[in-house]
Amino acid sequence: DQQVKQNSPSLSVQEGRISILNCDYTNSMFDYFLWYKKYPAEGPTFLISISSIKDKNEDGRFTVFLNKSAKHLSLHIVPSQPGDSAVYFCAASRRDNYGQNFVFGPGTRLSVLP
Amino acid sequence: DTAVSQTPKYLVTQMGNDKSIKCEQNLGHDTMYWYKQDSKKFLKIMFSYNNKELIINETVPNRFSPKSPDKAHLNLHINSLELGDSAVYFCASSRLAGESIGEQFFGPGTRLTVL
Repeated sequence: DQQVKQNSPSLSVQEGRISILNCDYTNSMFDYFLWYKKYPAEGPTFLISISSIKDKNEDGRFTVFLNKSAKHLSLHIVPSQPGDSAVYFCAASRRDNYGQNFVFGPGTRLSVLP
Repeated sequence: DTAVSQTPKYLVTQMGNDKSIKCEQNLGHDTMYWYKQDSKKFLKIMFSYNNKELIINETVPNRFSPKSPDKAHLNLHINSLELGDSAVYFCASSRLAGESIGEQFFGPGTRLTVL
């Protein structure tokens, strides 16, 4: 049962244009959402996050939007650069009595074409 | 300095063997994790340790056992390796401080191949 879904396995975008990566979740108990970027043969690296009490968080070229009613979040990268080509994982988190529980989506491979 | 390190980077072994993967973090984080990335590229949490106590154990076979000698280390021991254990294993750490949620810092991964 996938609690976090990224329905697009891959996405190609022209350099300079906007990249939009989507993520859907099913568990309304999630209260924190994160995006990670992963290059081949490396571990994922944290990119940006958003708390469930917000609907937008911006950091430079990266903006994450959260629509709680739709249980949907998206990552916008503008302008896209060739170095952004990587796999992007969406993750959702909730804290319970046992600590922090992170659930990852399957990832979307972004290719930014020069 | 590497924040989260794992050794070895590659591990090739025969079915039935016992092996260990080591993980160390120098970030002073409270919690460490082990993830398995399977052939379909899903990152699935296996264990997490907070202050040397296991707090999450997703339905993982008991052939897998995490060992934490101290807050900076979380090693993964695997007994009686099976073909299906072949995957990339990632170690991660995060900070749990009050109400804030710390993002996870990942190691580079260990690619395990069971023959």
